Amino acid sequence: GAGVSQSPSNKVTEKGKDVELRCDPISGHTALYWYRQRLGQGLEFLIYFQGNSAPDKSGLPSDRFSAERTGESVSTLTIQRTQQEDSAVYLCASSFSSDTQYFGPGTRLTVL
Amino acid sequence: GQQLNQSPQSMFIQEGEDVSMNCTSSSIFNTWLWYKQDPGEGPVLLIALYKAGELTSNGRLTAQFGITRKDSFLNISASIPSDVGIYFCAGVATGGFKTIFGAGTRLFVKA
Repeated sequence: GAGVSQSPSNKVTEKGKDVELRCDPISGHTALYWYRQRLGQGLEFLIYFQGNSAPDKSGLPSDRFSAERTGESVSTLTIQRTQQEDSAVYLCASSFSSDTQYFGPGTRLTVL
Repeated sequence: GQQLNQSPQSMFIQEGEDVSMNCTSSSIFNTWLWYKQDPGEGPVLLIALYKAGELTSNGRLTAQFGITRKDSFLNISASIPSDVGIYFCAGVATGGFKTIFGAGTRLFVKA
């Protein structure tokens, strides 16, 4: 079946603009995760959703970052008033169990 | 918070050589995972370890879950050029879904 998909694959925006990144998880996966990966760095946890439970937002770096998920389907990560330090690859992953996360290809965000 | 120390940061090896990388933590994890990331792609799971002391192989890859539950290593035998990429260790926190990733080991293989 289809894997995790993310859109857009690349996004270039100007400082101060808002951006929305989309993630379509694997059908049936109850958990969804967002990570940020800066150039040459590891994965930085941002937020995860599990079923209908309250999301774990402990990794969001500031109140400019927010994420929503509709049921067990699509999720959007929104960054308001983007800053240059927000430039990174944003990776989404989904899982059915608590360990095996399947990653999408990421969205490369560039803030000018 | 919980952190993983992954080493080495990068490795430059000759094709055919064996490779070893490891992760350590001050915290206990229930599950250790090893992922590989190719350029422009998301990480792909290589091996999952669920029990302290567990040794698991996947082709030329072998990984172990340390008996203290605070460390893990990954070995790659007889490296080939397509082994090039970034290898991440990850630990799943006790009682939750949160996964902590190491900073990655960048592997370069010279043919």
